[in-house]
Amino acid sequence: AQKITQTQPGMFVQEKEAVTLDCTYDTSDQSYGLFWYKQPSSGEMIFLIYQGSYDEQNATEGRYSLNFQKARKSANLVISASQLGDSAMYFCAMREADNTDKLIFGTGTRLQVFP
Amino acid sequence: GAGVSQSPRYKVTKRGQDVALRCDPISGHVSLYWYRQALGQGPEFLTYFNYEAQQDKSGLPNDRFSAERPEGSISTLTIQRTEQRDSAMYRCASSLAGGFGAGGGPQHFGDGTRLSIL
Repeated sequence: AQKITQTQPGMFVQEKEAVTLDCTYDTSDQSYGLFWYKQPSSGEMIFLIYQGSYDEQNATEGRYSLNFQKARKSANLVISASQLGDSAMYFCAMREADNTDKLIFGTGTRLQVFP
Repeated sequence: GAGVSQSPRYKVTKRGQDVALRCDPISGHVSLYWYRQALGQGPEFLTYFNYEAQQDKSGLPNDRFSAERPEGSISTLTIQRTEQRDSAMYRCASSLAGGFGAGGGPQHFGDGTRLSIL
């Protein structure tokens, strides 16, 4: 079974609107972390936001927030007030406490922001 | 340096040659990771180090791949007798400390080495 599933290969959003990128995960560990990274066309991998499995509050970082629903095993990224510069590939990743420190990535969602 | 530095940025070589990819992590970062990213896919784990100790090499595809970090800082990923299927982006990442929890921190990635095997 896929550990990280991103079901949206591509998403479009108009500038200044909010958009949600979906991520579901599969783990039997009680302790794990969930991450989102942004990969612009230039190729860098930019860390955006982190959510720990024991965190009671949803993580927020500026315009990014993580909608964490533990029972549903989902960790969706919400980008508010989209900007043209948000156009990029977005990857969800998980780190399991019992599975060394490696990150397991999903296949990504390509977000296009249009004016 | 300010970020994770990888060299070379691009490497083109003929099948059968050996290649060495270098990673210089963020200063003070204990943990160093290697990933491989195929076009249109997310990165896949290869191996990782805490200081100079290789903690996990389960992601290395076969024994042509090896990595070292002899002084706990710069790391080299070596691919011997390269094959066309080795063509990919090879990414290095570092984090403050290994282990899960508040002290670990996120992994910060370098810009990668694009390897092309002819």
